[in-house]
Amino acid sequence: QKEVEQNSGPLSVPEGAIASLNCTYSDRGSQSFFWYRQYSGKSPELIMSIYSNGDKEDGRFTAQLNKASQYVSLLIRDSQPSDSATYLCAVPRDYGQNFVFGPGTRLSVLP
Amino acid sequence: IAGITQAPTSQILAAGRRMTLRCTQDMRHNAMYWYRQDLGLGLRLIHYSNTAGTTGKGEVPDGYSVSRANTDDFPLTLASAVPSQTSVYFCASSPERNQPQHFGDGTRLSIL
Repeated sequence: QKEVEQNSGPLSVPEGAIASLNCTYSDRGSQSFFWYRQYSGKSPELIMSIYSNGDKEDGRFTAQLNKASQYVSLLIRDSQPSDSATYLCAVPRDYGQNFVFGPGTRLSVLP
Repeated sequence: IAGITQAPTSQILAAGRRMTLRCTQDMRHNAMYWYRQDLGLGLRLIHYSNTAGTTGKGEVPDGYSVSRANTDDFPLTLASAVPSQTSVYFCASSPERNQPQHFGDGTRLSIL
């Protein structure tokens, strides 16, 4: 099992819908989780951090963490075409490799 | 504007040549990182530095070296470039290790 897994997509949703992006991880000791957005040809940019079980909301974005199930998700409400990008889940480690990124999920919001 | 500056933006290089990718940050972040991003393989960590004067190996360190003489600069050197090192290279930094990272704009490197 890879350390951080995401569905590669593409995930297509209509404009105004909720986009749900999922990430699973293998290290039960992981304490913090980050979501990055990467537009084509650009660098990743941080959009959400979550450190405890439950939901964290920031504008149209909600991150959900379930440590027992080793699952973190990102919900985007009222999706806009400008949300079309690749979304990367990242998990820092306390040993060995410093940071592990998932392969990313490509989201396409259709007008 | 505070951030991370990478240079060059892009480069075409002959195999066997030596190349140094430059990375400078002005945020006084302690930790810095180098990644390569290849289609289908995602972001892979090459080397990292948790503080000035220290470095560590990431997932794919072979063929690359780094140094961290001061807080601001973290150059990545390819001693003898090979075509498999063709990639997009991103430098990143964070205040401390394992904290959210800020990325530079990347260097697109092609080895012929």
